[in-house]
Amino acid sequence: IAGITQAPTSQILAAGRRMTLRCTQDMRHNAMYWYRQDLGLGLRLIHYSNTAGTTGKGEVPDGYSVSRANTDDFPLTLASAVPSQTSVYFCASSDSFLLPLHFGNGTRLTVT
Amino acid sequence: RKEVEQDPGPFNVPEGATVAFNCTYSNSASQSFFWYRQDCRKEPKLLMSVYSSGNEDGRFTAQLNRASQYISLLIRDSKLSDSATYLCVVTLKAAGNKLTFGGGTRVLVKP
Repeated sequence: IAGITQAPTSQILAAGRRMTLRCTQDMRHNAMYWYRQDLGLGLRLIHYSNTAGTTGKGEVPDGYSVSRANTDDFPLTLASAVPSQTSVYFCASSDSFLLPLHFGNGTRLTVT
Repeated sequence: RKEVEQDPGPFNVPEGATVAFNCTYSNSASQSFFWYRQDCRKEPKLLMSVYSSGNEDGRFTAQLNRASQYISLLIRDSKLSDSATYLCVVTLKAAGNKLTFGGGTRVLVKP
């Protein structure tokens, strides 16, 4: 089934640990995005990639890094997790900038 | 002022009634507009795109008012299953990639 797959679905992580959230899409979309969603703050863009080999910073990039080695994969890494990174993380993709986003199922991350 | 603003609600709607709500955006150069639906912290799903001429999809009608810089969503004959949070998305081509979400409007349809 075509779409976006995120892993893990949920994770409890000790502060200071390194964590990579995985995101894979099979729709051959050029653009991919990482958002976090927190109560009262809505969806906020962390990082994005317009095409394989390029990445850019979104609204809240600090503490996160991404890579886009190929079209399908866009992992998000927390180098040293902090409790404020407790959130629900959504990966999304789109065929081009002006086209609607397709979202993965989300990763619920708790940093203790 | 936030770039994209929505009334958070909740809008309590009797089943069968009509509900409408807006999303205002601050940048007049915004290019594309969408409504998404999100259930219980699940992933947002595209409900409909918003075209300049307005568009309708079944019980849902979306409109764009560029002069006043807002988009609207109207739901007719509300169903219990319409209970959700409705997010507007505004796109702007600027340095970097700019898709901005509103905070969402919560709609609760009650029997």
